[in-house]
Order: sequence, then structure tokens, then C-alpha cells
Amino acid sequence: GAVVSQHPSRVICKSGTSVKIECRSLDFQATTMFWYRQFPKQSLMLMATSNEGSKATYEQGVEKDKFLINHASLTLSTLTVTSAHPEDSSFYICSAKTGESYEQYFGPGTRLTVT
Amino acid sequence: AQSVTQLGSHVSVSEGALVLLRCNYSSSVPPYLFWYVQYPNQGLQLLLKYTSAATLVKGINDFEAEFKKSETSFHLTKPSAHMSDAAEYFCAVSGDGGFKTIFGAGTRLFVKA
Repeated sequence: GAVVSQHPSRVICKSGTSVKIECRSLDFQATTMFWYRQFPKQSLMLMATSNEGSKATYEQGVEKDKFLINHASLTLSTLTVTSAHPEDSSFYICSAKTGESYEQYFGPGTRLTVT
Repeated sequence: AQSVTQLGSHVSVSEGALVLLRCNYSSSVPPYLFWYVQYPNQGLQLLLKYTSAATLVKGINDFEAEFKKSETSFHLTKPSAHMSDAAEYFCAVSGDGGFKTIFGAGTRLFVKA
């Protein structure tokens, strides 16, 4: 149980284009989803927290107009990187939780490369 | 506010030896503590968690951790390392409202044959 998937697992896009990453909870309803960014050999940096049906809450320093997050249902959240640049290349990981639990379930990650 | 400090960015052990990965936390509220493992280009897998029940927590693959409030520590141990344990390990703390989880910097575990 408690499986989270991400799609795509890898994506290469050209500078200036936008790319969408999907995060799905497969066997539970995710009231809250989190998006993280991870640079090589570094820890996870929380980008934003999204609750179903509400606007996402972004961490300080994260451009909300660049990283668009939508959590339209209890099983799906999307992260859209708009007008991507090479510095946006990174490993993006989502996680999901349900109810009042503090435990998060992590997706397998998406490797974004912007050329 | 909460924070996590993992002592040692790299730890190297021989196969069969004891694994000890150190984690200290800071929290103004009773913490929830987690250890995750990450293999290259993969997401995080939960090894074990402390949620205010037993202070000695047993997880998967013979890993365990002990919550010591007086030392604000939650060190991860495994009696005998396997080659397959080579990975990145993250200690994390939560419980300070908003359901955010704060991650440590990570410790890379190397296992020598």
C-alpha cells in the first residue's frame, strides 16, 4: 500500500519550453502533496506544499510563477516548470500524505534536463 | 523551528561490520523522526520512524534506531553491513505544524568487500 508514482521518470526539454511532471497516489487519497528538488549529492529542498483544492504554499525563494503546482484531485498533483532554463535541471521528487499523519510517501523522482 | 544534523557526510564500513549513522535533531515540540534510504536516481524509501511510542524503533532490513530525548539523537544502526546497504541515508524530523518534514544533509554509506 501507499504507493506514489511520478511521470515521466526522465525528461529532456529545450530551454524556453515548459514541462509538466505528474505525481499520483495510487492506492490512497492524498490530502497533501509536497514537491522537492534535489541537486546532485545534496539533500531534498522543499519547494511547495499543496492541499487538494487549494493554492500551493511555496517556500521562500521558490518562484511560484515559474513552478506551477496544481492539486486538482485527491490522487493527482502536477508541477509545471515554465520557460525552463538549464539551471532548472534537477531531480524533482514528490511525496504525499493523508489525514493527520506526519508520514510522507515518496515518488520515484523525475530527472529533468534542460538543454 | 526544527532542524536535523547528520554527522558525517560519508561513512565507510566493511561488509559484516556494524553500521552507525548519526543524527541529532532540534525541535521545540515532540518530534516525529524518520530515516530514509535513497539509491541513485530513485526516490526515498522509509527505513523506520519514531512517532512517540517505543524509543527503540526497528525497521526494514535489520536497521534500527533509538530515540534519546536527553541527547536529542536518533542514530541509525545495523549489526552487519551488506554490500546492498551502500546508499544515501537521510534523517528527517517533522511535527512542528504544517506537516513539513525537514531533512538532514544526508550520509553516504560505503560498504567495502
